[in-house]
Amino acid sequence: DVKVTQSSRYLVKRTGEKVFLECVQDMDHENMFWYRQDPGLGLRLIYFSYDVKMKEKGDIPEGYSVSREKKERFSLILESASTNQTSMYLCASEPYRDSLGYTFGSGTRLTVV
Amino acid sequence: AQSVTQLDSQVPVFEEAPVELRCNYSSSVSVYLFWYVQYPNQGLQLLLKYLSGSTLVKGINGFEAEFNKSQTSFHLRKPSVHISDTAEYFCAVKQGGSEKLVFGKGTKLTVNP
Repeated sequence: DVKVTQSSRYLVKRTGEKVFLECVQDMDHENMFWYRQDPGLGLRLIYFSYDVKMKEKGDIPEGYSVSREKKERFSLILESASTNQTSMYLCASEPYRDSLGYTFGSGTRLTVV
Repeated sequence: AQSVTQLDSQVPVFEEAPVELRCNYSSSVSVYLFWYVQYPNQGLQLLLKYLSGSTLVKGINGFEAEFNKSQTSFHLRKPSVHISDTAEYFCAVKQGGSEKLVFGKGTKLTVNP
């Protein structure tokens, strides 16, 4: 089974802190994605990456950046956390040019106080 | 841009009753369609997908969905629900040639005894 592992299940950070959310997949997938999930808004794409060091902005990239130094790891960075970034963050992966569906991690629930 | 509309934000049903969760997408030449389920405090799990071929797609846990190109719909059905089907369900669309999934806002299914 493909596994997508998000390093933290719950995270509490202070306003203004730099926050790193880590995601690791073990099936050599080229594509990796970061979504945020908010009640009533569904899932919104923040960033995605289709190869090492490659990234593309999604629908809501403001306030976020990403890093992909190795194929299996995709990090989401909140440069200066704000309370409106309190949310559930979901990482997913998929082989390139494949439409079998994403595999999701269990999510990180981030609270910014 | 591709968009997905899930017509009901909440659907309450009684155990053993049939259920239909509705999903419409904006028209496109070629699309791939997905339904995901999210149990409380978990990530998303793929229920079923339509890539091509037969318009009736069967998935896990007794769910099925029908692709209707003329109505741009992909409604999810189950003939008899269980308490354990209580979860949030997301419809998602991928446009041919794109790597990105666009999600609907979700439908919360509550199965009551």
